[in-house]
Amino acid sequence: DAGITQSPRHKVTETGTPVTLRCHQTENHRYMYWYRQDPGHGLRLIHYSYGVKDTDKGEVSDGYSVSRSKTEDFLLTLESATSSQTSVYFCAISTGQIGNTIYFGEGSWLTVV
Amino acid sequence: DQQVKQNSPSLSVQEGRISILNCDYTNSMFDYFLWYKKYPAEGPTFLISISSIKDKNEDGRFTVFLNKSAKHLSLHIVPSQPGDSAVYFCAASATGANSKLTFGKGITLSVRP
Repeated sequence: DAGITQSPRHKVTETGTPVTLRCHQTENHRYMYWYRQDPGHGLRLIHYSYGVKDTDKGEVSDGYSVSRSKTEDFLLTLESATSSQTSVYFCAISTGQIGNTIYFGEGSWLTVV
Repeated sequence: DQQVKQNSPSLSVQEGRISILNCDYTNSMFDYFLWYKKYPAEGPTFLISISSIKDKNEDGRFTVFLNKSAKHLSLHIVPSQPGDSAVYFCAASATGANSKLTFGKGITLSVRP
């Protein structure tokens, strides 16, 4: 158990509505990440954080924003959900040290209809 | 351009035989490589890793080989077991990149009883 909790685990929402996914960790790790997994694409980085209030974009950041006001929480927001954002979202954590392993949460399944 | 490539989408092997999963990368800055295993409806779980200063790392039935000159790594599973049936992701990171992982698209391994 990597000490990562994602919520909600499953959500169905309508196009154009805002959606926030939450990642909570109990490991006090500095780095947190949001990835999405889609068939034929593997796992792609959306945004990541290297400290409280310190965030940066990943390779598929358009349409997403993040916030980290506390070490333990990393929020991913879809300001106006689109069908292309239907996906499985994984939060991950890391100490950031060289050679450190990244550990993943159980995932949040989001369907935009 | 995909920096981590898993060109074979699937692999089927007989129980007890060896499974060899291949991965190629293009970014010469990558210096740490990981394999993750993923079951349906679960998050990816770390399997084994290797630093670029090594060419082999072994952990029980799992061995990862790294050929830096060819920018190629492979995961060997011996002997393969039905419980090994899952999607396997190859991932890579570079020092100074905030431990961000770049993933391949994954290989679905099926181990036949």
